[in-house]
Amino acid sequence: EVKLVESGGGLVQPRRSLKLSCAASGFSFNDYWMGWVRQAPGKGLEWIGEINQDSSTINYTPSLKDKFTISRDNAQNTLYLQMSKLGSEDTAIYYCARLSYYGYFNYWGQGVKVTVSS
Amino acid sequence: EIVLTQSPTTMTASPGEKVTITCRASSSVNYMHWYQQKPGASPKPWIYETSKLASGVPDRFSGSGSGTSYSLTINNMEAEDAATYYCQQWNYPSITFGSGTKLEIK
Repeated sequence: EVKLVESGGGLVQPRRSLKLSCAASGFSFNDYWMGWVRQAPGKGLEWIGEINQDSSTINYTPSLKDKFTISRDNAQNTLYLQMSKLGSEDTAIYYCARLSYYGYFNYWGQGVKVTVSS
Repeated sequence: EIVLTQSPTTMTASPGEKVTITCRASSSVNYMHWYQQKPGASPKPWIYETSKLASGVPDRFSGSGSGTSYSLTINNMEAEDAATYYCQQWNYPSITFGSGTKLEIK
């Protein structure tokens, strides 16, 4: 069974940093592109970015590429999202998801909540 | 960046009614994917590669379209179909989602 479990969320002060993790199991992690998607309260889904199997290609949505960094550790079957200079607009549920060949997120984690507030 | 415009934003349907949600892309895309999301839950893959149903999706759902115009259709709306539906495209290296269609049951 494919499982994606995010962790590392919580309350963080404005302008601080936070690193999220996503532990993957039930599939060969190093065979797949992975991605992050977020959802602000009451809002729609926003793609953050994606990373390929060996971390040689990482793509971001333009508005976040200078704030967020995606990485992975294939030995640990873990995906990461490093977030910096956080603002209230970054308050959201953050999902990690596995990408299929045609850019379709076929598995999602349960999400982790990040609240940016003083 | 390709912008996806979903319509309607919200709608209400009666049990047994046929429902169509559309997703228009600002430029041509090869495929459209759809997700269902209920309150408090993660999005669920629903229709992928325009017309293929994800595992467990009832066959009253269908997807179609090409180029810049895509749709998700429900034949015979059921109460369990009430949810928000999002379309999504992957035009490498960018992924975008539609703003969602909230579907309610009458």
